[in-house]
Amino acid sequence: KAGVTQTPRYLIKTRGQQVTLSCSPISGHRSVSWYQQTPGQGLQFLFEYFSETQRNKGNFPGRFSGRQFSNSRSEMNVSTLELGDSALYLCASSFISSSTDTQYFGPGTRLTVL
Amino acid sequence: EDQVTQSPEALRLQEGESSSLNCSYTVSGLRGLFWYRQDPGKGPEFLFTLYSAGEEKEKERLKATLTKKESFLHITAPKPEDSATYLCAVQANGNQFYFGTGTSLTVIP
Repeated sequence: KAGVTQTPRYLIKTRGQQVTLSCSPISGHRSVSWYQQTPGQGLQFLFEYFSETQRNKGNFPGRFSGRQFSNSRSEMNVSTLELGDSALYLCASSFISSSTDTQYFGPGTRLTVL
Repeated sequence: EDQVTQSPEALRLQEGESSSLNCSYTVSGLRGLFWYRQDPGKGPEFLFTLYSAGEEKEKERLKATLTKKESFLHITAPKPEDSATYLCAVQANGNQFYFGTGTSLTVIP
């Protein structure tokens, strides 16, 4: 059974640009959560999607947005990039809900903002 | 304020030298405590879920325990392949997950 896949694995952008990251969950999983991981802050929850609807949202500015498609694949968008957005962005999938089911993480997308 | 603190930040052990990693938490209503292992360049890999004080779970050389304020990950006779960062996460009443910053474990042959 294939795991969670994320593309691209690495990205380099400059301040002010925008970026879109993609996540394909494990087959049959319908919940997708996004996290930002930085050395100082650890993993911080961005949002969770289920059945194309945002179910939970963390404390991030509106520049961070996401969506989920009917096949459960999800994308995350960051607009007007700032230097502080440099991080590893992780996607995790769960069968129905991250609240009740184990989360399985992808390898992450390493974003560097110059 | 909900928060999770892990200690120590880094730990170096000789192969076979047992030790424990600590995860202390303050959250409004614990729904679950999770332990993950993360290798460099990879996403976290699920290890355990604990739901109530007194609960214990084991997997090979790892044993996780939970009290009302903290959790311990005990590593018995570690091997070099146990070297990784170990992350603790807490799920609070609002269903959000709060992660600690992890303990980086190095096991020296």
